[in-house]
Amino acid sequence: KAGVTQTPRYLIKTRGQQVTLSCSPISGHRSVSWYQQTPGQGLQFLFEYFSETQRNKGNFPGRFSGRQFSNSRSEMNVSTLELGDSALYLCASSFGQPFYGYTFGSGTRLTVV
Amino acid sequence: KQEVTQIPAALSVPEGENLVLNCSFTDSAIYNLQWFRQDPGKGLTSLLLIQSSQREQTSGRLNASLDKSSGRSTLYIAASQPGDSATYLCAVDETSGSRLTFGEGTQLTVNP
Repeated sequence: KAGVTQTPRYLIKTRGQQVTLSCSPISGHRSVSWYQQTPGQGLQFLFEYFSETQRNKGNFPGRFSGRQFSNSRSEMNVSTLELGDSALYLCASSFGQPFYGYTFGSGTRLTVV
Repeated sequence: KQEVTQIPAALSVPEGENLVLNCSFTDSAIYNLQWFRQDPGKGLTSLLLIQSSQREQTSGRLNASLDKSSGRSTLYIAASQPGDSATYLCAVDETSGSRLTFGEGTQLTVNP
């Protein structure tokens, strides 16, 4: 069965621009969560969506936003990009309840120049 | 605020050695704990999931244990191989499927 698909794999943007990343969960999974990974901060939770509703949010500025569609696909958006937003962005999906664990995608590598 | 610590930060061993990676967490009110593996520049691969009611899980050469009361988990790798070289991450879930808190990882190198 297909895994979690993240697109694009790589992205280069200029400071001040905005970017949208996409995540398609495993079929049947209703929860999608997003994480930012940087060498200095490690893996940090951004937000989680379940059945199109944001259930949980991490400690990131309002420039980071997300949404989930009725087919469970999710997008995250970062506006007014800063150099410090350069990171690997990872998406994870899970079934919901009962809980069988998280499955992660391969990530989107964002570089802000 | 939950904090997860992994020791050691890096480990280099000869092929064939058995090894133990350690993970500790500050708040024992967790629903589950999951161990992941990450290869350079790649996403995370799930290794083992331990629910809060369980004490251990096994998969092949891997065995993970959980002691909630002391806030500790260990990942045991038997007969290590060069292909096991990767960063191993421990993550705790306090929300039953909504949010993970990760440790900084242990970078493992297995030398042929």
